[in-house]
Amino acid sequence: TQLLEQSPQFLSIQEGENLTVYCNSSSVFSSLQWYRQEPGEGPVLLVTVVTGGEVKKLKRLTFQFGDARKDSSLHITAAQPGDTGLYLCVAQETSGSRLTFGEGTQLTVNP
Amino acid sequence: ETGVTQTPRHLVMGMTNKKSLKCEQHLGHNAMYWYKQSAKKPLELMFVYNFKEQTENNSVPSRFSPECPNSSHLFLHLHTLQPEDSALYLCASSPPGLLSLSSYNEQFFGPGTRLTVL
Repeated sequence: TQLLEQSPQFLSIQEGENLTVYCNSSSVFSSLQWYRQEPGEGPVLLVTVVTGGEVKKLKRLTFQFGDARKDSSLHITAAQPGDTGLYLCVAQETSGSRLTFGEGTQLTVNP
Repeated sequence: ETGVTQTPRHLVMGMTNKKSLKCEQHLGHNAMYWYKQSAKKPLELMFVYNFKEQTENNSVPSRFSPECPNSSHLFLHLHTLQPEDSALYLCASSPPGLLSLSSYNEQFFGPGTRLTVL
């Protein structure tokens, strides 16, 4: 299984701040998904990106897939306490159907 | 609420116990999965069932035994577990097509069972 590195692993910020989470690999992926997992719950899909250079926006969240489809970023503008959770990137390898999971970024937004 | 339910939500068991985890979905999905989530580690895919047939077993120890009697139900039978097996066990389902080369279907996760092995 190819390693999918997420950074930072932990992030604690104040409400209203902006932040960016990164997901990087040396492998090329056919698609990449971002999930958010809140305490006591399972991960929930936020977005899927499939085209190199693709940018998707979901309210205050902006997702980007790298041109080479090896990396992705998630930017949150004016973070709110409700954004608190574990953000996971999950990528599908181009060579098959296997999914690769990042370790996750634990985000805490303090009021 | 994703439509995937798991029971129990919490389980404490000794190393000699036998217990089972249950997962249920009525979303019409044909693929179901068991994952292990440990602190500071990526999600580990354990088993994949597609149309009730096991299509993937990621070198999981035999003390974990999955069962998929139909497309809506998935079980994980536990026997003689070790303390290092303590983790959150997540079940997920997805619509048909995830296992094809070009698909990237969403996985719907249950809330998980928090397992503690004493």
